[in-house]
Amino acid sequence: QQQVKQSPQSLIVQKGGISIINCAYENTAFDYFPWYQQFPGKGPALLIAIRPDVSEKKEGRFTISFNKSAKQFSLHIMDSQPGDSATYFCAAGNTDKLIFGTGTRLQVFP
Amino acid sequence: DGGITQSPKYLFRKEGQNVTLSCEQNLNHDAMYWYRQDPGQGLRLIYYSQIVNDFQKGDIAEGYSVSREKKESFPLTVTSAQKNPTAFYLCASSSANAFNQPQHFGDGTRLSIL
Repeated sequence: QQQVKQSPQSLIVQKGGISIINCAYENTAFDYFPWYQQFPGKGPALLIAIRPDVSEKKEGRFTISFNKSAKQFSLHIMDSQPGDSATYFCAAGNTDKLIFGTGTRLQVFP
Repeated sequence: DGGITQSPKYLFRKEGQNVTLSCEQNLNHDAMYWYRQDPGQGLRLIYYSQIVNDFQKGDIAEGYSVSREKKESFPLTVTSAQKNPTAFYLCASSSANAFNQPQHFGDGTRLSIL
């Protein structure tokens, strides 16, 4: 009940394409769903986060789509750039805990 | 610049040795966290502290110890009881004492066995 399942494990996208990463959670008490971006040798940086009272949140080229009934949420990166090549982690949590997905390694080729 | 500083960047441990990883923040955050990151796995919580002189075990606390004597500092000791210490260790902080608030991470310490 505490897992967050993330897919795919790795993703290769052409420059200008759309990158989509999916996550599914089990605990209906979770009310916070952030996405983190991590470059090699660096710590994760918060990219965007959503609460369950909205179904979509957009910040620049990054959009979170949230489906409360299906207990799923996804990250969409529009117009993907080589500089977006990194590992992306989703997470789900509430006041007491934050559970991370296993990460998606994104490679964007020119 | 405000942020979280972890040191050293790389650390090597000998058999039977305790090592201490440093984490300092100048964000004036109350809550601080230690995570372990292994290849192909998500971040796993080792310990967290929501206030000075208090800390709580996370999901994988065995073989680790922490202290929180100052608001800015939350060092992690990897003891000889931790049989598989090779990993990337991440420190984080948050302005709110709740997990459903933004956490800010340092750039990690990579620990290896000699």
